[in-house]
Amino acid sequence: DSGVTQTPKHLITATGQRVTLRCSPRSGDLSVYWYQQSLDQGLQFLIQYYNGEERAKGNILERFSAQQFPDLHSELNLSSLELGDSALYFCASSPYATGVTAEAFFGQGTRLTVV
Amino acid sequence: GENVEQHPSTLSVQEGDSAVIKCTYSDSASNYFPWYKQELGKRPQLIIDIRSNVGEKKDQRIAVTLNKTAKHFSLHITETQPEDSAVYFCGIGNQFYFGTGTSLTVIP
Repeated sequence: DSGVTQTPKHLITATGQRVTLRCSPRSGDLSVYWYQQSLDQGLQFLIQYYNGEERAKGNILERFSAQQFPDLHSELNLSSLELGDSALYFCASSPYATGVTAEAFFGQGTRLTVV
Repeated sequence: GENVEQHPSTLSVQEGDSAVIKCTYSDSASNYFPWYKQELGKRPQLIIDIRSNVGEKKDQRIAVTLNKTAKHFSLHITETQPEDSAVYFCGIGNQFYFGTGTSLTVIP
């Protein structure tokens, strides 16, 4: 168990809908990262938050947004869903801000299926 | 974002042989290079990492080498075992940009 909790584990929804994925980082970790992993694909970095503030943006679509709350949990919002958004979404956390690097601990992922 | 190229995309080796996976990157400011292993249906987990002030790091059957001048780093697995079969990702930098992954199959 990495200490990173993601909910829900599975999500099935229809095209055009909006969903929210939730991530609780390890106790004490201030950075949260979100990744998308499509079938047989790599880990696509979406966005990073540190202590409530956005720190880095990757290839995140405009239909997607995220935030980190004062208790440090994070939510990834996906809207106007398309079939191609079906993927495994991981969040990861690490203790430090950018500039100090350390291992990222991954959650078990949320498998999103858009039908 | 960062550009990380990882090769090969698939690799099959006989049990007991060695496996080598290589990653190249573009940002010369990168100073942290982790390797993650993802077993089927599971989350990625760190197996070894290296920082830019070190050229090589070893942990039992796993080693990572770094060539900062050439901007590449490699994962070496010796005496491979069937449980080494997984997808391996290299990563760089603070934002953990990852390579496209290498699917390693160890044939008993």
